[in-house]
Amino acid sequence: DTEVTQTPKHLVMGMTNKKSLKCEQHMGHRAMYWYKQKAKKPPELMFVYSYEKLSINESVPSRFSPECPNSSLLNLHLHALQPEDSALYLCASSQETGEFASRFFGPGTRLTVL
Amino acid sequence: QKEVEQNSGPLSVPEGAIASLNCTYSDRGSQSFFWYRQYSGKSPELIMSIYSNGDKEDGRFTAQLNKASQYVSLLIRDSQPSDSATYLCAVDNYGQNFVFGPGTRLSVLP
Repeated sequence: DTEVTQTPKHLVMGMTNKKSLKCEQHMGHRAMYWYKQKAKKPPELMFVYSYEKLSINESVPSRFSPECPNSSLLNLHLHALQPEDSALYLCASSQETGEFASRFFGPGTRLTVL
Repeated sequence: QKEVEQNSGPLSVPEGAIASLNCTYSDRGSQSFFWYRQYSGKSPELIMSIYSNGDKEDGRFTAQLNKASQYVSLLIRDSQPSDSATYLCAVDNYGQNFVFGPGTRLSVLP
């Protein structure tokens, strides 16, 4: 299995809702990432997990809460989002963190906050 | 502030031609470089990585790296309309993060 899967594909939520994005990989990768991508911009790193521990938080607001239940799964819990948080949320994985680690992206979740 | 620059685009080439996509980076210590293709509305797909000076070929794609000039490029031979996409150059930031360039939109005209 050489892919990263994400659910749901699309999500529409109100500013008071709580929702979660899910990501799964079965490539035995030990590093997993959350990125946010706005239209016509490159992906922006949000969080990095290495061996199931949070290693990088790029100063992301607390309304985004990541969780790594095991080495194959990554969640992003969403609460009290703002309309400007509408974007494509991408999960990625790599064998390890480090300079020569190719990141493999999932298909993304298109999030709309009303 | 580490920076990665790419051709502003859009770049248009006729079908069958060679498309040349360029990327420059500011940090001389960078060691690894990646090219991604992203179709509209889809996620980035890894095309290839390059770590050593010179050329690396994979099918119709050739990546070229010149660390002295801080320059990495991607050549697409025999361009097809299906190659029309945005191409993202990514430079690894000492294993902590990728610094992505803004992307170059390529249009291959039938």
